[in-house]
Amino acid sequence: QVQLQESGPGLVKPSETLSLTCTVSGGSISSYYWSWIRQPAGKGLEWIGRIYTSGSTNYNPSLKSRVTMSVDTSKNQFSLKLSSVTAADTAVYYCAREDYDSSGYYYNYWGQGTLVTVSS
Amino acid sequence: QSVLTQPPSVSGAPGQRVTISCTGSSSNIGAGYDVHWYQQLPGTAPKLLIYGNSNRPSGVPDRFSGSKSGTSASLAITGLQAEDEADYYCQSYDSSLSAFYVFGTGTKVTVL
Repeated sequence: QVQLQESGPGLVKPSETLSLTCTVSGGSISSYYWSWIRQPAGKGLEWIGRIYTSGSTNYNPSLKSRVTMSVDTSKNQFSLKLSSVTAADTAVYYCAREDYDSSGYYYNYWGQGTLVTVSS
Repeated sequence: QSVLTQPPSVSGAPGQRVTISCTGSSSNIGAGYDVHWYQQLPGTAPKLLIYGNSNRPSGVPDRFSGSKSGTSASLAITGLQAEDEADYYCQSYDSSLSAFYVFGTGTKVTVL
């Protein structure tokens, strides 16, 4: 059974860079798209972006100037960096795997989520 | 802000049927892109409930069903149970410059 686990600092100072890693276990990271999705407290889900194991990326246009994603297939990990953070970036951050078939791309596997708070 | 609009809340008594709408536009649902639905229980990660408009993953009760028509999609829960009390989100692809994948605004289902 595929499992995803987010890790990284739970507290980031304003204007600094948020860095998170997602470790995939129970399956290979290869040949899938991997995404980051966030959810501010009491609010809805926001798609941040995705990365393929080749390194190809797609980002949410509203965050594109501040987002960088990378993948390390040797460690079965992929990462998110979000620069110049503000309080508005405080949220639970989820990593997820895209599954694809004739029904499109959808998220069948999610991490448990990690809360990142932006505060001085 | 999300480009897929859902009602903030719906409620029903145990055993009743409730439906949740997901209204999009010609750049997402109306363009023929598939709609997927997720259930989020309090304090947990979202769980895939319906994929490809109307398909249920293994283990999802057949009380849950999905449909799509025009620029909208719907999730129906029949025989509502207390354990169905959760937040529900639709998701699709958007071909405009505003986003890539988009989620709905979310709907809180309350079992009375």
